[in-house]
Amino acid sequence: EVQLVESGGGLIQPGGSLRLSCAASGFTVSNNYMTWVRQAPGKGLEWVSIIYSGGSTYYADSVKGRFTFSRDNSKNTLYLQMNSLRAEDTAVYYCARARRLTTAGTTYFDYWGQGTLVTVSS
Amino acid sequence: SYVLTQPPSVSVPLGQTARITCGGNNIRSKSVHWYQQKPGQAPVLVVYDDSDRPSGIPERFSGSNSGNTATLTISRVEAGDEADYYCQVWDSSSDHVVFGGGTKQTVL
Repeated sequence: EVQLVESGGGLIQPGGSLRLSCAASGFTVSNNYMTWVRQAPGKGLEWVSIIYSGGSTYYADSVKGRFTFSRDNSKNTLYLQMNSLRAEDTAVYYCARARRLTTAGTTYFDYWGQGTLVTVSS
Repeated sequence: SYVLTQPPSVSVPLGQTARITCGGNNIRSKSVHWYQQKPGQAPVLVVYDDSDRPSGIPERFSGSNSGNTATLTISRVEAGDEADYYCQVWDSSSDHVVFGGGTKQTVL
């Protein structure tokens, strides 16, 4: 059974750093595209970052240069290092498994974790 | 960057058909995916690649994509279908994911 469990959220002051984790089971993260998506309170879904099976990473403009997506293959775990946090980064952060349809040139997300809440406030 | 536009809300009587739209420039050239999100829960994929359904999703959920509009159709709407629905595409020009703003569906 595929499972994704996020952790590491909490209350952090503006300008601070936080590292989120996403522990996967039932599949191998290094063989898949994986993503982080966030949702501010009462708002819609916002894509944050994606990591390809080959290790390449891409980021939304709103977090580029501040967030780093990585993985530990030995632990089958993903990480989102978040630096220089701002109030607008306050959100529930979800990790999700991405499925790539090569012929259609598209990617979608078939399994999601339950999310971890990050609150940036003084 | 590519923009997806959804109506903020739709209302549909119980047992009727709901249609939720997702607008984008020449969206028919892209593959559209749809997610359902109930309060306090993670999103769930209900349609991918315009019209395919993941295992376990009822046949009442279907999708289409033409011109500048993709549509999620929910037939014989049930009370349990009350949720937020999001469309999503992959922007290959930037390797970015794009979500629509979401539509809150109310079942009357």
